[in-house]
Amino acid sequence: SAVISQKPSRDICQRGTSLTIQCQVDSQVTMMFWYRQQPGQSLTLIATANQGSEATYESGFVIDKFPISRPNLTFSTLTVSNMSPEDSSIYLCSGGGQSEQYFGPGTRLTVT
Amino acid sequence: TQLLEQSPQFLSIQEGENLTVYCNSSSVFSSLQWYRQEPGEGPVLLVTVVTGGEVKKLKRLTFQFGDARKDSSLHITAAQPGDTGLYLCAGNDYKLSFGAGTTVTVRA
Repeated sequence: SAVISQKPSRDICQRGTSLTIQCQVDSQVTMMFWYRQQPGQSLTLIATANQGSEATYESGFVIDKFPISRPNLTFSTLTVSNMSPEDSSIYLCSGGGQSEQYFGPGTRLTVT
Repeated sequence: TQLLEQSPQFLSIQEGENLTVYCNSSSVFSSLQWYRQEPGEGPVLLVTVVTGGEVKKLKRLTFQFGDARKDSSLHITAAQPGDTGLYLCAGNDYKLSFGAGTTVTVRA
């Protein structure tokens, strides 16, 4: 198994600013992903974080808005850029292999 | 378009009752997984089903996978307040596609 931590756990940001969320895994993992979730609702995949190369984004998500880095097999960051109130959500990262993913506790973002 | 449909969306039952949550997919995935999520936490994997017709048991939880590998169910026997949470099914093709989720509340 893997233990995933995220920082910050929550933040309140002004519109037009950017926030970078960090995701740390306690062991090397093949795959890391970033998701968005509204409270009480399901998870929507934003992108696959690829180690050493550009992330692979899902339909509706673009690199300019959600730049992602993954410098090694245990760490990734997601930046939410030029934020608007519509970006208020919970952002989760996951890490693991092809058959099993472990999730971080999430970062609750509120944009005012 | 949601690939996986879950029902019901909400379920509220009394402690000791049984419940069933359903997940139906429009596609066949490499595997199907069930997660439970509590407020302020990330989803936690409960089970992975791979083979059509498979049945897996985890204490009071029973998971079934349909023969066509498109539908699955989660049955909880004698539910307890600790079973309260958001139950999510997900199709796994190296990346996860989640259903809309079922919010289960078990009243003491």
